[in-house]
Amino acid sequence: GAGVSQSPSNKVTEKGKDVELRCDPISGHTALYWYRQSLGQGLEFLIYFQGNSAPDKSGLPSDRFSAERTGGSVSTLTIQRTQQEDSAVYLCASSFETGSGNTIYFGEGSWLTVV
Amino acid sequence: GNSVTQMEGPVTLSEEAFLTINCTYTATGYPSLFWYVQYPGEGLQLLLKATKADDKGSNKGFEATYRKETTSFHLEKGSVQVSDSAVYFCALSGLSNTGKLIFGQGTTLQVKP
Repeated sequence: GAGVSQSPSNKVTEKGKDVELRCDPISGHTALYWYRQSLGQGLEFLIYFQGNSAPDKSGLPSDRFSAERTGGSVSTLTIQRTQQEDSAVYLCASSFETGSGNTIYFGEGSWLTVV
Repeated sequence: GNSVTQMEGPVTLSEEAFLTINCTYTATGYPSLFWYVQYPGEGLQLLLKATKADDKGSNKGFEATYRKETTSFHLEKGSVQVSDSAVYFCALSGLSNTGKLIFGQGTTLQVKP
């Protein structure tokens, strides 16, 4: 597609369940990022992929969070044993390269509500 | 560490008023600076950017100048419209080889007719 595509756009899950969020980056973009946007916390970086490897996972908040990327394209963010504090909008973004001034393009996000 | 600080919102203006949203940064090197905008119900989109000191980014009537001496990148627009109502995020990058963005907290702008 023309832009970064994320699914689902909205997800309501029960506390303790696992969820998977999917991101389809812009074609040809080798860099992929996951961010979390929550009230009072702003935009938090979670993880960065270059191709299929993740050299920067420094933002993942706990070991319940994991992500993978396959084929240098689609990425999945998995949250295990969800907690109420995981409720947020999860944003995926991609860019063609990572040089200074490079533009990063964002998807519309997956809104997660844990009840 | 590296960080971005924005003025707190919400900012409420009348149509055609002058807008300034302050943004300052702390960085160990020489970052690139960005303003992203999030319109209601939409995703984040790049508004403008500047990659080195004294550069001015501009788009849709918005401008921001990269001031190294004051570590600032204030967003300005001479005459705002109702359609400019959105959340504005200042961000920096280029301090690591990941290209990741570090964002400010965001400033909500509401423009009234």
